[in-house]
Amino acid sequence: EAGVAQSPRYKIIEKRQSVAFWCNPISGHATLYWYQQILGQGPKLLIQFQNNGVVDDSQLPKDRFSAERLKGVDSTLKIQPAKLEDSAVYLCATQLTSGSASSYEQYFGPGTRLTVT
Amino acid sequence: SQQGEEDPQALSIQEGENATMNCSYKTSINNLQWYRQNSGRGLVHLILIRSNEREKHSGRLRVTLDTSKKSSSLLITASRAADTASYFCATDRGSGTYKYIFGTGTRLKVLA
Repeated sequence: EAGVAQSPRYKIIEKRQSVAFWCNPISGHATLYWYQQILGQGPKLLIQFQNNGVVDDSQLPKDRFSAERLKGVDSTLKIQPAKLEDSAVYLCATQLTSGSASSYEQYFGPGTRLTVT
Repeated sequence: SQQGEEDPQALSIQEGENATMNCSYKTSINNLQWYRQNSGRGLVHLILIRSNEREKHSGRLRVTLDTSKKSSSLLITASRAADTASYFCATDRGSGTYKYIFGTGTRLKVLA
């Protein structure tokens, strides 16, 4: 079974520039999460999708961050404009939450390390 | 906000020793999970314990849960250098939304 794919793996941008991250979930996983992980801290949920609908985006800084999950499969997370404090690893995770095999286990991608200078 | 607080923040042990890390949380939960994160990589699920369970084992891992104290512990027995990683607890409040809150993590270093 292929895992969660993310790209790019690394990105360096200057403040006020824009950046986009892409996530391809495990096939059949209805729930998709974007987390922000600042160095030395645990992952912080930014947004949660169920299929192509948003379940929770209460911690997403909507003035600069946006995310979408078209057709309930791939997802993109965008930051525009970036600030220095956005430097972090952005993790995508997916979960099988429908059907008889639904599970609480989240499967994480390798993450995108963003550095804002 | 982070629901879980792990302690210690960092732990260094010799190979073969046992490693214990603790997680405390603030509100009622449906289940608690432990994840491992190797340097520069994504998180990997280790074990899940439900709120009506007190102890669970998986290989060299033993997890306990005390809902009255709102705490959990993860024990890794006979540690190996490959166990060097950060360990996080994550809690699910069981509201049906599959929303998880991760703790601050324990950085474990196993010396060969």
